[in-house]
Amino acid sequence: QSVLTQPPSVSGAPGQRVTISCTGSSSNIGAGYDVHWYQQLLGTSPQLLIFGNTNRPSGVPDRFSASKSGTSASLAITGLQAEDEAYYYCQSYDNSLSYVFGTGTKVTVL
Amino acid sequence: EGQLVEFGGGLVKPGGSLRLSCAASALSFTDYHMNWVRQAPGKGLEWVSSISGSGSFKDYADSVKGRFSITRDNGKNSVYLQMNGLRAEDTAVYYCAGRGYTYGDAFEIWGQGTTVTVSS
Repeated sequence: QSVLTQPPSVSGAPGQRVTISCTGSSSNIGAGYDVHWYQQLLGTSPQLLIFGNTNRPSGVPDRFSASKSGTSASLAITGLQAEDEAYYYCQSYDNSLSYVFGTGTKVTVL
Repeated sequence: EGQLVEFGGGLVKPGGSLRLSCAASALSFTDYHMNWVRQAPGKGLEWVSSISGSGSFKDYADSVKGRFSITRDNGKNSVYLQMNGLRAEDTAVYYCAGRGYTYGDAFEIWGQGTTVTVSS
């Protein structure tokens, strides 16, 4: 149902770097719409992590970074920590479907 | 810091109706486009509906169009989701989320969610 595709899971040891891809199309990310990222800890509501493709709200650690290119975007977590274990969702806008979310990625800290 | 609190969820039979409410506090409510986003059990996030700050613009996901209706009362700092013709596939946690102007069109503030279960 989601038009933005993410890998179901990624994992890494503490201190490592992990990346999460978000693949869209010419009607959403490729059309120039911004990509945002949300973190959802287990049992809690989503929280804004990255806005406007690359920007962190105040309070978000700088180990989180993101980029966008063409019809895709990616989120990177460097220096992985135990508290980063969560689900991560990308979000954008689609010409036909309005707001769209990614399929979600579970990050596991080994 | 702003806060959103949802309520009104519950158990309802297929074909039934339910009205969700979301109360905002400590924010300039009319500056926020308000949204409902749902999450079915064990599934990802799905945008449901949006309403502009004045209430003049509304949008719906195809999956709920014609069955759900979003409204807001700026005097009460509240947004509502009237859900009619409920189906089993509408079972989910429903989140209220606000889009202001500080972070582009990102959903910068979220409530804790209210659970809707559609079952006979």
